[in-house]
Amino acid sequence: DTEVTQTPKHLVMGMTNKKSLKCEQHMGHRAMYWYKQKAKKPPELMFVYSYEKLSINESVPSRFSPECPNSSLLNLHLHALQPEDSALYLCASSQDSGSWNEQFFGPGTRLTVL
Amino acid sequence: GENVEQHPSTLSVQEGDSAVIKCTYSDSASNYFPWYKQELGKRPQLIIDIRSNVGEKKDQRIAVTLNKTAKHFSLHITETQPEDSAVYFCAASLGSARQLTFGSGTQLTVLP
Repeated sequence: DTEVTQTPKHLVMGMTNKKSLKCEQHMGHRAMYWYKQKAKKPPELMFVYSYEKLSINESVPSRFSPECPNSSLLNLHLHALQPEDSALYLCASSQDSGSWNEQFFGPGTRLTVL
Repeated sequence: GENVEQHPSTLSVQEGDSAVIKCTYSDSASNYFPWYKQELGKRPQLIIDIRSNVGEKKDQRIAVTLNKTAKHFSLHITETQPEDSAVYFCAASLGSARQLTFGSGTQLTVLP
């Protein structure tokens, strides 16, 4: 399996809802990432997990809460989001060894906050 | 931190012509430079990458060149086809930091 999968594909939520985005990979990768991408913009890094430990948090608001239950799964828990949080949320993974790491992206979850 | 600038923001070419997209980076320690293609509504997909110990790499119609002294790298697509139409992102990485800094993207349109 050489794919990163994400669920759901689309999500519409109100500002008071709690929801979770899920990401899964079975490539044996030990680094996993969450990115946020607005329309016509590049992906912006949110979080990096390495060997199931949070290694990078790019000053993301606490209404976004990542979780890495095991080496294949990555979740992003959402609570009290704002309309400006509407975006495509991309998960990625890479081997966490050596100096050069190709990142494989999932198809993304398109989030709309009402 | 690293800063990557990408030009042009839009590029239109006739089918069969070549397309060139250029990026500059700020951190001389960056050592990995991937290029991603993102079609509308799809995920970014790696099309080619280059490491700092190499000056040029080619894969069929796609090539990337790296000038470490000037801190810039370029994507060259020859014999363009309509299916090459997409947004292309360059990126730079410090490798062990596992962080990619992306350029702002180039919307390439290949006119039939």
